[in-house]
This record gives sequence, structure tokens and C-alpha cells, in this order.
Amino acid sequence: TQLLEQSPQFLSIQEGENLTVYCNSSSVFSSLQWYRQEPGEGPVLLVTVVTGGEVKKLKRLTFQFGDARKDSSLHITAAQPGDTGLYLCAGAGGNAGNMLTFGGGTRLMVKP
Amino acid sequence: NAGVMQNPRHLVRRRGQEARLRCSPMKGHSHVYWYRQLPEEGLKFMVYLQKENIIDESGMPKERFSAEFPKEGPSILRIQQVVRGDSAAYFCASSRWVDQPQHFGDGTRLSIL
Repeated sequence: TQLLEQSPQFLSIQEGENLTVYCNSSSVFSSLQWYRQEPGEGPVLLVTVVTGGEVKKLKRLTFQFGDARKDSSLHITAAQPGDTGLYLCAGAGGNAGNMLTFGGGTRLMVKP
Repeated sequence: NAGVMQNPRHLVRRRGQEARLRCSPMKGHSHVYWYRQLPEEGLKFMVYLQKENIIDESGMPKERFSAEFPKEGPSILRIQQVVRGDSAAYFCASSRWVDQPQHFGDGTRLSIL
């Protein structure tokens, strides 16, 4: 069974601060997705990383895939209240086939 | 999320009844996945289907749960003789090809009285 450990589970910060969310596994994934989920809605895809060592930027969000494709991080610069939400990492491929293995999520609150 | 359509958004059933959840994938997507999110837990894979075929049902409970994706019409997740523990949010996702990112619907929230 493949597992993804996501940390921290909860994060409360002030507007303007930086933060990093981590997603770690002992298993190798073919790709890793980051999603954001609002209450009462489904996860919305933010980015997919495929290549070991890959870095993708989406405005103030920077996503990195580890060289061994076992871990990933999401870094947010100068967080804003609009960034508040649940962030989920999900790995695909490897022994899991095409199903997604989700981390437990990081619930972020950015206070004005 | 507008691309993947799930209905109903909320479903209330009494213990012992049947629940049918429907999912229409995004246009052009032939791969459908069902996930379950229990209260205070993460999303867990249930089943992966292509048109008329179940590809991977390793996450499905052995009894009472079934899924189909017919040639015409939406994918259906069916839960027979529901119990309180079936209360959860059920999400459907679709992808165009097997190795493409999955896009999710807004889910069906099932409550068992």
C-alpha cells in the first residue's frame, strides 16, 4: 500500500508570511498532483509534476518534485487571505496504477 | 469543477435503502474514478472504470457497493442496503487518457438516517 504523509496538518499564519507544505512517501510515483479544496466542493487541480527535480511556479505558488519522485513541496510566498483552504497532494502511477493516493491534507488559514 | 457533473449534490437515505450516485465525466474523457471522503479523513480511491469496463475496483468494499459506466449515459455508483457508516462525500473524477491528470466533480454528500 502506498502512503503519502502530508505536513503540517494545520497551519495558521498572518498575511504576508511565507509557508511550505510537505508531501513525503517511501514509494515512487510517476506523477504528483496538488489540489485545493474548498468546503462543499471537489478538489481543484493546481499543478501536476512529472519529472524528478521539476519545479513549477504558479504566481506566488512554487511546486517541487523530489529527485527520486517520492516527495514534493508547495511553497507559498506572501500568503494572502484568499489562499485559505485545504491543500491536498496526490500521487499517481508506480505500484498504484492510475488511481490517486492522497495525502491527509493541509488546512491553511491566512489571517488578515 | 463545472466539467465533471455529479448528482445529486446531497442525498439522504434511511438505513437499508439503496443509494444511486451519478457522474457525467468531462467532454472527451473516457476514464472515470470514484473516491470516498469520510468525515475528518482524506480521499480514498474506490474504483476506476472505462466505458463498459471496470479496470480497478481494489478500493471498493466487497459487499453492497457496485459501479458501472455504460456505453451511453453517466457512471453510476450504487450502494445497496445503506448503513450509517456509508455517510460520506463521494467524488467522481475523469481524465482524457490513463496517464492524464484527474479532474473532480463537486461530489455527492450522502447522509444515512
